[in-house]
Amino acid sequence: EVQVVESGGGLIQPGGSLRLSCAVSGFTVSKNYMNWVRQAPGKGLEWVSLTYSDGVTYYADSVKGRFTVSRDNSNDAVYLQMNSLRGEDTAVYYCATGRRYFDFWGQGTLVTVSA
Amino acid sequence: EIVLTQSPGTLSLSPGERATLSCRASQSVMSGFLAWYQQKPGQAPRLLIYGASSRATGIPDRFSGSGSGTDFTLTISRLEPEDFAVYYCQQYGTSSTFGQGTKVEIK
Repeated sequence: EVQVVESGGGLIQPGGSLRLSCAVSGFTVSKNYMNWVRQAPGKGLEWVSLTYSDGVTYYADSVKGRFTVSRDNSNDAVYLQMNSLRGEDTAVYYCATGRRYFDFWGQGTLVTVSA
Repeated sequence: EIVLTQSPGTLSLSPGERATLSCRASQSVMSGFLAWYQQKPGQAPRLLIYGASSRATGIPDRFSGSGSGTDFTLTISRLEPEDFAVYYCQQYGTSSTFGQGTKVEIK
C-alpha cells in the first residue's frame, strides 16, 4: 500500500523560507514521478511541480525561481524548498504521485505566509 | 495555459438522483488527458477518473467519465450519501491545470 506523508508546514513571514518534506512508503521515489500540488484556503487546486524519475523537475510559473525540489532516494523522500515566500503562497501543500494525473496523495501540510 | 471551467458551481441533489458535472476547456485537451477528483472537507483529493473515462482502482461503477476535445462530463448515476463533496477536473495534456470545482450538496 502506498502511503504519502507531508510535514514541515507552519507560519512564516513574507520573504522567508521553509522546507517541506514528503515521505513515501510502498513506492520507490527514484523510479517514479512525484508532484507538489497546493490549495489556498477555500480555493481550488494548483499544480506546483513535477519531478521525473531522473530527477528533472518542472515548476509552475507562479513558483519558478523561488521553489526547488530535491530528493533523498535512499529514504524515499522528496523535499520542497520554498524561498522568497509571499502571501499568495499560503496554502495546504500536498505531495502526490503520478506522471500526469495524481493517484496517491498525502494529507497535506499547511503553510501560512503572514507578518 | 489551458483554462478549465466547471459547471455548475453547485449542484443540489437528493440521494439516489443522477449527477451530471461539466468541465469545459479553453482549447482542446490533448489525447483526452483529463482526470476527475473528489474532495471532502479536510481531506486530500481522491482520483476518480483518468484518461477522460477510465475509473481509478477501487472507484465504484456509478462514477463514469466521458467527453473529448474541449467538453468533458462526470456522471454519478445514483448519488450515495458519501458522494456529496467537491469535484475537480484536471487536464494533463499541456502542463497541468485544474478547474475551479463543482460542489455536490444534499438538497
